[in-house]
Amino acid sequence: DAGITQSPRYKITETGRQVTLMCHQTWSHSYMFWYRQDLGHGLRLIYYSAAADITDKGEVPDGYVVSRSKTENFPLTLESATRSQTSVYFCASSEAGPSYEQYFGPGTRLTVT
Amino acid sequence: QKEVEQNSGPLSVPEGAIASLNCTYSDRGSQSFFWYRQYSGKSPELIMFIYSNGDKEDGRFTAQLNKASQYVSLLIRDSQPSDSATYLCADPGNTPLVFGKGTRLSVIA
Repeated sequence: DAGITQSPRYKITETGRQVTLMCHQTWSHSYMFWYRQDLGHGLRLIYYSAAADITDKGEVPDGYVVSRSKTENFPLTLESATRSQTSVYFCASSEAGPSYEQYFGPGTRLTVT
Repeated sequence: QKEVEQNSGPLSVPEGAIASLNCTYSDRGSQSFFWYRQYSGKSPELIMFIYSNGDKEDGRFTAQLNKASQYVSLLIRDSQPSDSATYLCADPGNTPLVFGKGTRLSVIA
């Protein structure tokens, strides 16, 4: 039972490049989330999704794009990466809703040079 | 906008002592809270859920919710070096979870 996985685990990219972070869950949870975690800011919600083709903005959505064509996948794309997007990105899922317990993936450490 | 405040720490306690982690919140309507533990370099994992006033115990962990004073706490009895981590509280309510920034706990052997 893999649960929730993220790939890549580490990524270095250059300013201006497009990069996609992948998230895959095997629990068939309806809700999926993307967070970034930075020192001094804690976990901040970027986007979340209630089901396939339904997404909503979180606290810090600017510069990010999400899609959800299949329930199990929720990729996050940085269309033109900036140094301020250097962070650790966590994907999470929830069976019941956005205010219920969430289960996190292992994270992707992204560095934008 | 809901806010959840935590002292960033580090909170240092000797092995075997009680560690007390606190979280204050702004939304008077908040009914329940989650506590997550995050080891360095790892993802947050859910360790406790408390709903309604009072205490909830799970092994060495006790969560306490005080709605009148708008704080929630996590007590860890007989602290072990393996408890060294960052602890985040999260407020559900009617919106996506709002996380505190976390308190770093260091248990000294």
